[in-house]
Amino acid sequence: GQQVMQIPQYQHVQEGEDFTTYCNSSTTLSNIQWYKQRPGGHPVFLIQLVKSGEVKKQKRLTFQFGEAKKNSSLHITATQTTDVGTYFCAYNQGGKLIFGQGTELSVKP
Amino acid sequence: DVKVTQSSRYLVKRTGEKVFLECVQDMDHENMFWYRQDPGLGLRLIYFSYDVKMKEKGDIPEGYSVSREKKERFSLILESASTNQTSMYLCASRPTGVYGYTFGSGTRLTVV
Repeated sequence: GQQVMQIPQYQHVQEGEDFTTYCNSSTTLSNIQWYKQRPGGHPVFLIQLVKSGEVKKQKRLTFQFGEAKKNSSLHITATQTTDVGTYFCAYNQGGKLIFGQGTELSVKP
Repeated sequence: DVKVTQSSRYLVKRTGEKVFLECVQDMDHENMFWYRQDPGLGLRLIYFSYDVKMKEKGDIPEGYSVSREKKERFSLILESASTNQTSMYLCASRPTGVYGYTFGSGTRLTVV
């Protein structure tokens, strides 16, 4: 069935560096959501993208939905230690939310 | 603040026991979900419910059942626990429509 591939699986950065995670689908997605899960925590909803080419910002986080609605990205500018965690993309299919495998971000102070 | 509450944070059960995981939400959401999360496998959907007394199978329903007698409560039942059901179980809810999910804090179940 349809699924999303999320890359990279792990990313280690120095504090202050930028970080990007990518979510790719072989088919068109109606929408995409992004979640953050801190170590030992649960997923927390960050944002939803619906429109082709949509770009949304939350402080240092920038979310994009591709023109063809087959890919999405999350970019963090100037990472901080509070950004540590796993970032998941997810899409709705028949009322269910299907998750990508996640990108685990570690930040070295 | 919107809240999804799972009854236990940690649980240890013996093989063959019947296990109940409880989830309660206070947001009047129609939709509720049970996921399990395992290293390397991500979050996988077990069961979900659109309404009271309604249930739908997710991607990995084998070995599980659910109950939704009241709108705010969605229970996951392991009829006969097995060691391969050792996992983190996450409950979530959302209102009708395409919205973000609110997750509970999770129950880490160990079956010995």
